Amino acid sequence: KAGVTQTPRYLIKTRGQQVTLSCSPISGHRSVSWYQQTPGQGLQFLFEYFSETQRNKGNFPGRFSGRQFSNSRSEMNVSTLELGDSALYLCASSLDRPGTDTQYFGPGTRLTVL
Amino acid sequence: AQSVTQLGSHVSVSEGALVLLRCNYSSSVPPYLFWYVQYPNQGLQLLLKYTTGATLVKGINGFEAEFKKSETSFHLTKPSAHMSDAAEYFCAVSEPQAGTALIFGKGTTLSVSS
Repeated sequence: KAGVTQTPRYLIKTRGQQVTLSCSPISGHRSVSWYQQTPGQGLQFLFEYFSETQRNKGNFPGRFSGRQFSNSRSEMNVSTLELGDSALYLCASSLDRPGTDTQYFGPGTRLTVL
Repeated sequence: AQSVTQLGSHVSVSEGALVLLRCNYSSSVPPYLFWYVQYPNQGLQLLLKYTTGATLVKGINGFEAEFKKSETSFHLTKPSAHMSDAAEYFCAVSEPQAGTALIFGKGTTLSVSS
């Protein structure tokens, strides 16, 4: 069974631009969660989608948004990029509840904002 | 609110020595507890998880952890370290009844010397 895939793996943007990251979950998994990982803040939860609906949301500004498609693939978007948005963005999928069912993580997208 | 504290951001051991990575949690309800490992430039991989029942949980690669409710701890151990164990380890907690996302600790980097 193929794992969680994320594209692109690396991205370089400049301040003020916007970016879209993509995540394809494991086949059959309906929940997709997004995390931001930085050296200073560690792993922080962004949001979770289930059946095309945002079910849970972390404490991030509205510049961070996401969506999920009918095939469970998910995208996250960051608008008006800031230097502090430089991070590894991880996507994780699970059958249903991420706090109950095992979450499987993708390799991440490394975003650098210049 | 749930939280996770990992004592020691960096642990160094010799090959063949005992590995002990400490994790304490805070949760208002019976938690689910997880240990993940992250190798450089990769996503997170689940080592083991505790849900209910037996408090000693065995995971992959020879790791195990014990849930101690009275101490609110979930320390990760391995009897004999191998060079390939060098990585970053994350402890996480969830409150399944509340349907919350995983909350991660700041991580502990394990170094193994020969």
